[in-house]
Amino acid sequence: NAGVTQTPKFQVLKTGQSMTLQCAQDMNHEYMSWYRQDPGMGLRLIHYSVGAGITDQGEVPNGYNVSRSTTEDFPLRLLSAAPSQTSVYFCASSYLGRQPSSGANVLTFGAGSRLTVL
Amino acid sequence: SQKIEQNSEALNIQEGKTATLTCNYTNYSPAYLQWYRQDPGRGPVFLLLIRENEKEKRKERLKVTFDTTLKQSLFHITASQPADSATYLCALTKTSYDKVIFGPGTSLSVIP
Repeated sequence: NAGVTQTPKFQVLKTGQSMTLQCAQDMNHEYMSWYRQDPGMGLRLIHYSVGAGITDQGEVPNGYNVSRSTTEDFPLRLLSAAPSQTSVYFCASSYLGRQPSSGANVLTFGAGSRLTVL
Repeated sequence: SQKIEQNSEALNIQEGKTATLTCNYTNYSPAYLQWYRQDPGRGPVFLLLIRENEKEKRKERLKVTFDTTLKQSLFHITASQPADSATYLCALTKTSYDKVIFGPGTSLSVIP
């Protein structure tokens, strides 16, 4: 059981380049989400999905695209990278309201992807 | 807009003492409040959850309180150990099916 797998772990881009951060989970979680973490800012929600074919914007969606064609995968796309997108990105998933023992949206996180945009 | 604040400074305490971390929120009515632990270079890990109708929750050396009138949660680690050194994040959700919003985190250092 791998949990939440993020690739790549590290990436350096030049301004204007595009790339996709991959996130896959093998826990049959309905809910998947992307956060970015910057020093002193905590985790800020970029996009989230409550099931295949359904996505919604979080707190900081500009400059990022997502899609959810399968339950397992939730890729994050940067169409034209900017230095302001230099950050550590975390993918997280959950059973949403079906979490055993709590019934709440308790998240399982991936190990993170560190992105530098020059 | 909604805002979540945690202890603004890093917290340093002596081993064996009780660490108390604060989470305050405004413009929000969460049904659930969660606490996560994050070690350097790793993703956050869930620790505890408390519901709006619960005053207190305990798990081993951890205790969480939730005061919806004050819009505040306190997170206590009793008999703290150097291994408890990490960043602790509070997180809120309005319902069971809602997105999760995080505070900025508090860095805790337990000094031997």
